[in-house]
Amino acid sequence: GEDVEQSLFLSVREGDSSVINCTYTDSSSTYLYWYKQEPGAGLQLLTYIFSNMDMKQDQRLTVLLNKKDKHLSLRIADTQTGDSAIYFCAESRSNTDKLIFGTGTRLQVFP
Amino acid sequence: EAQVTQNPRYLITVTGKKLTVTCSQNMNHEYMSWYRQDPGLGLRQIYYSMNVEVTDKGDVPEGYKVSRKEKRNFPLILESPSPNQTSLYFCASSPTGQRTIDTQYFGPGTRLTVL
Repeated sequence: GEDVEQSLFLSVREGDSSVINCTYTDSSSTYLYWYKQEPGAGLQLLTYIFSNMDMKQDQRLTVLLNKKDKHLSLRIADTQTGDSAIYFCAESRSNTDKLIFGTGTRLQVFP
Repeated sequence: EAQVTQNPRYLITVTGKKLTVTCSQNMNHEYMSWYRQDPGLGLRQIYYSMNVEVTDKGDVPEGYKVSRKEKRNFPLILESPSPNQTSLYFCASSPTGQRTIDTQYFGPGTRLTVL
């Protein structure tokens, strides 16, 4: 199937770390992405990881990929109120132009 | 400023009344795409275009049409809108559509309500 699944909600305290999880089903995925959608706005690419990588770090963001389990996670260190948004994971496959999105995780950061 | 613009941003219409949502990008991108976003379903691709005069169906094309007569514009046409097309629509573009290297740039979204 083409499912990319995420939990719908995550609530964290400001300053804590957030971990948003994503599972996908297709082993032919080539790139996996994390997008951020702020209220009333379009999607903004945060980071991406190639399928032959295990980890990628970019400032406060850490992406972990477990290809065996088809599990992707996004860790946000020192979460701030400005990080409150919906986060989408997405996958692309080598044999198609499609970008398959997950259902999105709404991250709420409280003081 | 490099951007993807959509118009209108909000639209309320009635069943059966034809409408067009415009999408324009100023980055000379070859690839453009339309998505709809629905609660619990994430983003689903409606149509995409690899270049001028080249369009292909995405996952949920029924009830929609597109055209790509020029590179910068990719309008989404609903010939006879129905309530199940009430959704949030996003247009996106990228330089070539090759997933290995491209970033998709998204427009701000169009919230459509069909009564």
